[in-house]
Amino acid sequence: SQQGEEDPQALSIQEGENATMNCSYKTSINNLQWYRQNSGRGLVHLILIRSNEREKHSGRLRVTLDTSKKSSSLLITASRAADTASYFCATGDTGRRALTFGSGTRLQVQP
Amino acid sequence: KAGVTQTPRYLIKTRGQQVTLSCSPISGHRSVSWYQQTPGQGLQFLFEYFSETQRNKGNFPGRFSGRQFSNSRSEMNVSTLELGDSALYLCASSFKTGQDNEQFFGPGTRLTVL
Repeated sequence: SQQGEEDPQALSIQEGENATMNCSYKTSINNLQWYRQNSGRGLVHLILIRSNEREKHSGRLRVTLDTSKKSSSLLITASRAADTASYFCATGDTGRRALTFGSGTRLQVQP
Repeated sequence: KAGVTQTPRYLIKTRGQQVTLSCSPISGHRSVSWYQQTPGQGLQFLFEYFSETQRNKGNFPGRFSGRQFSNSRSEMNVSTLELGDSALYLCASSFKTGQDNEQFFGPGTRLTVL
């Protein structure tokens, strides 16, 4: 079953703009991870943020986590055409051993 | 370091047949997880193996099974295929078991059931 719901489902922006994707979840978590998937391929891990962290950066990526609102956001700054992909949040739920993936956001970056 | 490999990449089967998919994890990784990805249901966890033992299982029928060998390679088997089993099957490896780790995904096996 899906835990994370991502918003928006699809996003189209111009190269150089920032892209923000949101993820909401329902249960208590130990960590939240973001993955990228290029069309029909495997997923690539982007960043992991633990439940006691509020913000994390990795290159052009910034992830925030608000456990009181059960939500996370992924910001990609200065987007590039190569950022075109689907982005998934995945939660490590307390009491479960497996990750639960959200429905994903399809990002299209126009050159 | 070589990434996660999956074979075959594409597979076409008919209803009622069975299929075996293979996954070779990154060298040194002992955990292998399997996921099914469909447009309707998204990414769903099938099971995880660690040191040849199934550590966790998702909500799939018994037609879906797996195993892991001493070299950490894993196979997934689906018996009595149904049309709804058409999907991209992804495996992921990690050094440790559990959900608190970065997972490294393979390119997937696209299964089409006719």
